[in-house]
Amino acid sequence: AAGVIQSPRHLIKEKRETATLKCYPIPRHDTVYWYQQGPGQDPQFLISFYEKMQSDKGSIPDRFSAQQFSDYHSELNMSSLELGDSALYFCASSLKPAGANVLTFGAGSRLTVL
Amino acid sequence: AQTVTQSQPEMSVQEAETVTLSCTYDTSESDYYLFWYKQPPSRQMILVIRQEAYKQQNATENRFSVNFQKAAKSFSLKISDSQLGDAAMYFCAYRSALQSSGSARQLTFGSGTQLTVLP
Repeated sequence: AAGVIQSPRHLIKEKRETATLKCYPIPRHDTVYWYQQGPGQDPQFLISFYEKMQSDKGSIPDRFSAQQFSDYHSELNMSSLELGDSALYFCASSLKPAGANVLTFGAGSRLTVL
Repeated sequence: AQTVTQSQPEMSVQEAETVTLSCTYDTSESDYYLFWYKQPPSRQMILVIRQEAYKQQNATENRFSVNFQKAAKSFSLKISDSQLGDAAMYFCAYRSALQSSGSARQLTFGSGTQLTVLP
């Protein structure tokens, strides 16, 4: 079965640079969620999209932005990168934004900021 | 806001034995969902089991079962016949069932319990 695809899997950037992470949800899933997991931390919710509209916003820095496109894939753009942005970034998708629909996670994109 | 608490940062179990991971949560909502996710060394987040709050019957998935105590806001995970492949970080998570228009109900995670399985 198709899963949530994230790219790139690994990314190394310098401070103050920009990074873009991509997420391709499971086919027919219309809802995408972004999470950030720092070393030894639990995943923290950043932002979500439902039907290409921003839905909920969590602890996403102002330096970050995201969007969901017409094909339902999503991109997370991170600018002015800081050392503290080094983390594993998960994308998850679900069919519809609520109810018992399970969030399925991608394998994550590991960002290292030097 | 909902909070999820896992009070056991680390647990260990002997292979083939049974272990129980604890989770408590705080919410003012009456309808919600609870999940256990497993994160092995690969860091992939894998769903283990799900419980609907309106169901009194505890969920079971093969060797994994939960003890859901709604009044106590407790949701523990029992792993029977533990296997080496069960070694992972286990996260308890909460999701609201409220159907707010246009609002995607995200998961709120606990801090995790690192499970070691001893051969």
